Amino acid sequence: QKEVEQDPGPLSVPEGAIVSLNCTYSNSAFQYFMWYRQYSRKGPELLMYTYSSGNKEDGRFTAQVDKSSKYISLFIRDSQPSDSATYLCATGGYQKVTFGIGTKLQVIP
Amino acid sequence: EPEVTQTPSHQVTQMGQEVILRCVPISNHLYFYWYRQILGQKVEFLVSFYNNEISEKSEIFDDQFSVERPDGSNFTLKIRSTKLEDSAMYFCASSVVDMNTEAFFGQGTRLTVV
Repeated sequence: QKEVEQDPGPLSVPEGAIVSLNCTYSNSAFQYFMWYRQYSRKGPELLMYTYSSGNKEDGRFTAQVDKSSKYISLFIRDSQPSDSATYLCATGGYQKVTFGIGTKLQVIP
Repeated sequence: EPEVTQTPSHQVTQMGQEVILRCVPISNHLYFYWYRQILGQKVEFLVSFYNNEISEKSEIFDDQFSVERPDGSNFTLKIRSTKLEDSAMYFCASSVVDMNTEAFFGQGTRLTVV
């Protein structure tokens, strides 16, 4: 069973839409859940992380973790063309991080 | 803004040759990591390094791979005898504390083995 599963997309939305990105994970021992943004041919950039279950908000971004269903979500409000990138969910925290394959998002002006 | 710097940005090498990928972590960071991303696949953890020792490594990081901090600023990944399947983007990352939630990634080195 894959540790972190994510739909690779691509996902195309019009500017201003609410975007919902999702992942599932298999290891119930994971405590930290991260979202990274990766532009083409660049390194991953940490957007935000949550510890255990719950929500975390940062500007237009909200991360949500449901440990009972092993489900991780990222919501982007009022999406902008500059949000066009690949979004990687990840779990771990100490030392090793396990990434999903990433969802490619395109926000169309 | 401080950043992790990787050189070269692109390296082409012949199968069987040794390559060294270089990274300059953020200056006050103590924990260092290498990841790789084969085209179209996930970013995969290779190794973490602290206090001049490997602290964790994945099954990918076999005897062909080694890491070193030769001086106070550089962190290197050596692949002894490259194989075609080593072709990938290699990312270096660093963090102040032992938490990947605080890690900053470099821009990557694209390694092409021909």
